[in-house]
Amino acid sequence: GQNIDQPTEMTATEGAIVQINCTYQTSGFNGLFWYQQHAGEAPTFLSYNVLDGLEEKGRFSSFLSRSKGYSYLLLKELQMKDSASYLCAVVDSNYQLIWGAGTKLIIKP
Amino acid sequence: IAGITQAPTSQILAAGRRMTLRCTQDMRHNAMYWYRQDLGLGLRLIHYSNTAGTTGKGEVPDGYSVSRANTDDFPLTLASAVPSQTSVYFCASSDSGNNEQFFGPGTRLTVL
Repeated sequence: GQNIDQPTEMTATEGAIVQINCTYQTSGFNGLFWYQQHAGEAPTFLSYNVLDGLEEKGRFSSFLSRSKGYSYLLLKELQMKDSASYLCAVVDSNYQLIWGAGTKLIIKP
Repeated sequence: IAGITQAPTSQILAAGRRMTLRCTQDMRHNAMYWYRQDLGLGLRLIHYSNTAGTTGKGEVPDGYSVSRANTDDFPLTLASAVPSQTSVYFCASSDSGNNEQFFGPGTRLTVL
């Protein structure tokens, strides 16, 4: 079967750095997305990785290792507005997105 | 319209009733999707459409039907609602399968 694993919840301090991990087992791989979802709102796009390595975009970076079936989202200089759920999703061989359950990130002052 | 819209925002429905959730996008995206999101389970694909005139079944299609008569609209119908269909429903669209998906604001549906 297809499986995406992420921690259910993480807590971090304002101004700090946090790494959210995602491991996957899917039928085929055509890319990996990270989305942010604030409570009661729709998911919004953060990043897309299809090749191994690190993609940096401002305070957010995303890393992919296809051989290990592993990705992480790195958030730097955490702000209170970063409190949200972070969703990992893999594009499978049928070009459908397989979604993880999401990681709820709580930022404390 | 800017982006992707859904209606209604929320709905309380008696079991056994028929309900259609509406979704419209103005980005001329080829692909559209319907998801349900339940606590602890993440987003699950109900149905999708890769282009106008075609539809396909996702992970959890039972009890739902869709149509794609044109590029912009992708309605989701519950023929006879059941309490297990209580959920938040998101419509999304993308240029193609491995492109970024844009999400509507969601419809919160409660079936009693």
